Amino acid sequence: DTAVSQTPKYLVTQMGNDKSIKCEQNLGHDTMYWYKQDSKKFLKIMFSYNNKELIINETVPNRFSPKSPDKAHLNLHINSLELGDSAVYFCASSQEGQVTSNYGYTFGSGTRLTVV
Amino acid sequence: GESVGLHLPTLSVQEGDNSIINCAYSNSASDYFIWYKQESGKGPQFIIDIRSNMDKRQGQRVTVLLNKTVKHLSLQIAATQPGDSAVYFCAEKRGFGGGGGNKLTFGTGTQLKVEL
Repeated sequence: DTAVSQTPKYLVTQMGNDKSIKCEQNLGHDTMYWYKQDSKKFLKIMFSYNNKELIINETVPNRFSPKSPDKAHLNLHINSLELGDSAVYFCASSQEGQVTSNYGYTFGSGTRLTVV
Repeated sequence: GESVGLHLPTLSVQEGDNSIINCAYSNSASDYFIWYKQESGKGPQFIIDIRSNMDKRQGQRVTVLLNKTVKHLSLQIAATQPGDSAVYFCAEKRGFGGGGGNKLTFGTGTQLKVEL
C-alpha cells in the first residue's frame, strides 16, 4: 500500500548500458516528478509531468528520457550510462492546485544507481 | 543565481536539547517553504510548511520561523530525540498551484546528529 513506489531500489550497471527506473503512485495525484540526489545529498528536479504532459525539463542530458504512460506512472529511461549518472533518483507526486499542506507532495524511497 | 542554502552542514545536539536548523533563500518571489526530513535509505518526508504571509508556524515539537526581510527560515525541534537524527532540507516553491508543476527547489541539507 506504498503511496509512491519505485523499482528497482538498487541498480548497478556498467558504463554504456541502457537502464530504466519505474515509478507508480496510488494517490490519485496528477503530477509526477523525477529528482536526482548526488553524493552530497543535493536534491534537484529533473522532470515534471502533469496528466502525462511534460511540463518541466531541467537541463538534463538527452540520454535521460521520461515516459508517462498514464498519470499514475512515470518511468525514467537512461541511455549510454556514464559514471556521473551515479546518484539516488527519487520519484515524487503531488496534486496540482491542491493548496492544503504540502500539495500532497510525496516522495518515493529512491533508486540508488551505481555506474561502474 | 537563485538558491536555497543552509548555513551548517552538520549539527550535533544532546538528546533532550532543542535543535535549530537554518536556511537562507535568495528569491524574494518565493512564497511557500517546506522542511523535509530524510532518514538513511528513505525519501524526504514532509515535516512542516509555511507560507510567505506568515512568520511562524508550529507543529508537534517543531516550529518554523520565516524572516522575509533577511530571506531566512529556521526549523526548531524541541526536546530532540535520537529518532530525529537525519538530514534536514528546506525547500522553496514559487507560486501556488495553477500550473508550473509545483517545482521544489531544495537547499543543500543539514545532517542532524543526536548524541545520547
